[in-house]
Amino acid sequence: NAGVTQTPKFQVLKTGQSMTLQCAQDMNHEYMSWYRQDPGMGLRLIHYSVGAGITDQGEVPNGYNVSRSTTEDFPLRLLSAAPSQTSVYFCASSYSGPHTEAFFGQGTRLTVV
Amino acid sequence: AQSVTQLDSHVSVSEGTPVLLRCNYSSSYSPSLFWYVQHPNKGLQLLLKYTSAATLVKGINGFEAEFKKSETSFHLTKPSAHMSDAAEYFCVVSDLEGNKLTFGTGTQLKVEL
Repeated sequence: NAGVTQTPKFQVLKTGQSMTLQCAQDMNHEYMSWYRQDPGMGLRLIHYSVGAGITDQGEVPNGYNVSRSTTEDFPLRLLSAAPSQTSVYFCASSYSGPHTEAFFGQGTRLTVV
Repeated sequence: AQSVTQLDSHVSVSEGTPVLLRCNYSSSYSPSLFWYVQHPNKGLQLLLKYTSAATLVKGINGFEAEFKKSETSFHLTKPSAHMSDAAEYFCVVSDLEGNKLTFGTGTQLKVEL
């Protein structure tokens, strides 16, 4: 089972560039989410989706966009990268919501220079 | 609003001795509580979860946690540490109010010979 697949694993961007972090899951989960992990801060929620066509903002949404056109995919777009967006990004999915077990991808380590 | 406080950012134990990782939570409603583990350069994996059933929850790899409503605590324990337990551990709360997970800042567990 593939589970949650994130691509790329590593990325270096220049300030002002845009890019999309990909996330796909093959478990038919309704709930998907994006987090960023910074040292000493745990994981912070960026955006989440409770199903195809529905997205909402999390704790730190500024500078990021998402869409959910299918159940399987939940891409995260950085509109104009800034050094403050240097972080490790995790995508997660769960069957019906955050009260059920979340399955995490392996992460994308993003550096903005 | 919900929140999680992990009381120790670093814990160091000797192999074969007990592990105690402390977590306090705040939630307006009946919470679901989780412990996740993250090994270096990996995604997060669920250790155990509490969802209003038995207050003593058993997880994988010999870990367990006890939900104490009066103390708003959900401490993680293991009777005997193993070298492979060295990782970062996150206490996480979810409730029906926010439709999202809130992570603690993490506890880094070091296991020494």
